[in-house]
Amino acid sequence: GENVEQHPSTLSVQEGDSAVIKCTYSDSASNYFPWYKQELGKRPQLIIDIRSNVGEKKDQRIAVTLNKTAKHFSLHITETQPEDSAVYFCAASFGNEKLTFGTGTRLTIIP
Amino acid sequence: DVKVTQSSRYLVKRTGEKVFLECVQDMDHENMFWYRQDPGLGLRLIYFSYDVKMKEKGDIPEGYSVSREKKERFSLILESASTNQTSMYLCASSLLVARGEQYFGPGTRLTVT
Repeated sequence: GENVEQHPSTLSVQEGDSAVIKCTYSDSASNYFPWYKQELGKRPQLIIDIRSNVGEKKDQRIAVTLNKTAKHFSLHITETQPEDSAVYFCAASFGNEKLTFGTGTRLTIIP
Repeated sequence: DVKVTQSSRYLVKRTGEKVFLECVQDMDHENMFWYRQDPGLGLRLIYFSYDVKMKEKGDIPEGYSVSREKKERFSLILESASTNQTSMYLCASSLLVARGEQYFGPGTRLTVT
């Protein structure tokens, strides 16, 4: 089955700096890659996703890049703000199969 | 707004008890999922269902079963609770498996003593 590895497990950045979280996947047939954000004590929520026919997708301060050859994808957050502090999960799936999640990255924004 | 609710936020049960966790969604979603969330392990899929009375095993189904008698309701059953099932349990639903956003419930923190 699919295996998704996520790094780093914790990340601290100064407010205003950029943050990058990386994930690799094992199944070359995977074609859908969402990112979820979970604030402390709250439920995970989708923040951005990308499909395998696209190399990059951007939504305001958040962007995701996908390298199908290397089987890795990354989340980029620019101009970080305190409200970006949360746990971020990447995931991968193929067709109608289930989502396989990474182990999460705890991002802390230092004021 | 999609609303996914879970029957309890906190639950304490004894070893060997039968435990029912219920999840209800109000958006007519076909697909429903049960995950457990443990520190350092992320979200691991226990079971999912893509239709009434249908179920598929996820990555860690051992010790669990599920029931989906109605489209809006998906139950997770621990036949005989054990201490290693102490965890946060999250339910989710979506319109299309994997190709659409999964909406999560608030979670049930289960402690088995």
